[in-house]
Amino acid sequence: NAGVTQTPKFRVLKTGQSMTLLCAQDMNHEYMYWYRQDPGMGLRLIHYSVGEGTTAKGEVPDGYNVSRLKKQNFLLGLESAAPSQTSVYFCASSYRVGSDTQYFGPGTRLTVL
Amino acid sequence: QKEVEQDPGPLSVPEGAIVSLNCTYSNSAFQYFMWYRQYSRKGPELLMYTYSSGNKEDGRFTAQVDKSSKYISLFIRDSQPSDSATYLCAMSGNNFNKFYFGSGTKLNVKP
Repeated sequence: NAGVTQTPKFRVLKTGQSMTLLCAQDMNHEYMYWYRQDPGMGLRLIHYSVGEGTTAKGEVPDGYNVSRLKKQNFLLGLESAAPSQTSVYFCASSYRVGSDTQYFGPGTRLTVL
Repeated sequence: QKEVEQDPGPLSVPEGAIVSLNCTYSNSAFQYFMWYRQYSRKGPELLMYTYSSGNKEDGRFTAQVDKSSKYISLFIRDSQPSDSATYLCAMSGNNFNKFYFGSGTKLNVKP
């Protein structure tokens, strides 16, 4: 049982490049989330999914897209990276919201030059 | 105004001290309250989970919820250098699709 895994762990991009971050969970969770964490800003929700085939915008969705084609995977895409997207990205999952808790992945450190 | 407010610290205490970490919130619909611990360069990990009001104790850690004041606390007794981390509060409720996080308090326990 690996929990929540994220790929890659580190990445450096140039402005304008694109990339996809992969999150995978093996706990059969319905809900999956992408956050970014910046110094002094805490965790900010980018997008989330309440089940396979669904996505919804969070607090800071601009510049990002997501897809949930399989229940266990949640992909975060950056179409045209900007320096403001330099951050640590965390994926999380939960069986449901409310009486359940979130489990986090180890994070992806992204630098956009 | 953010839904969850948390003092960012940093908070520096000597080993063995009692630590009090707090969050306030504005949404009375929150019913589930969590504390996460995040070590440097790691993902947050769940430390305590509480439903509604009251206290919950787990070893050196005690979580308190006062729904009437919209205030939650985490107490750490006999603090250890290994407790040095950022502590994030989080909350949610029925009919919510997401969790609401505080910005985190950085704690440093000095040997």
